[in-house]
Amino acid sequence: QQQVKQSPQSLIVQKGGISIINCAYENTAFDYFPWYQQFPGKGPALLIAIRPDVSEKKEGRFTISFNKSAKQFSLHIMDSQPGDSATYFCAATAYNNNDMRFGAGTRLTVKP
Amino acid sequence: NAGVTQTPKFQVLKTGQSMTLQCAQDMNHEYMSWYRQDPGMGLRLIHYSVGAGITDQGEVPNGYNVSRSTTEDFPLRLLSAAPSQTSVYFCASSYSLAGGNTIYFGEGSWLTVV
Repeated sequence: QQQVKQSPQSLIVQKGGISIINCAYENTAFDYFPWYQQFPGKGPALLIAIRPDVSEKKEGRFTISFNKSAKQFSLHIMDSQPGDSATYFCAATAYNNNDMRFGAGTRLTVKP
Repeated sequence: NAGVTQTPKFQVLKTGQSMTLQCAQDMNHEYMSWYRQDPGMGLRLIHYSVGAGITDQGEVPNGYNVSRSTTEDFPLRLLSAAPSQTSVYFCASSYSLAGGNTIYFGEGSWLTVV
């Protein structure tokens, strides 16, 4: 069963809008939560990551919000641009990289 | 800067054939791994290695073999291809096994088994 559930499966946003992708996890031992960005024909690349000792992390237009009690975390993309159109994966791991569990992915399309 | 290099990019196999997906990294990373990506499933770990001569199974290892004779190379072998192995395969590496170390992915190998 999928240990990290991601929604929505696809998302269409107008240029300048806010894109929000949500993830929920079950394993309370998870302590590292990265987001990966994947462009068509390319491999995933680390976008931003958070640990549960903080509730929010911001890097430029990208923000992770983390709710430990609800076991949920989300990616917010402010002022979304057509160049942000990609597939986004959330992930979580407890102890080491071979325990990393990925969400199913969200295909984001930003319309100009 | 090459990073993680995978070959071939595309491959079509017939059921029962064998093949090897090549992977090389030039970052002197200890940890290397292979994932498969399927629609609606995200990425799932096939096999991984924490150093030359050391390999172990991931979440979906059946039908695949790996070896690690050098730090740089980590080939993935399909022993007898099946249609269920049609997927996109990603090789990845990171500085160490420890969680929190950035995982760097190759550009992927698209495999179709007919």
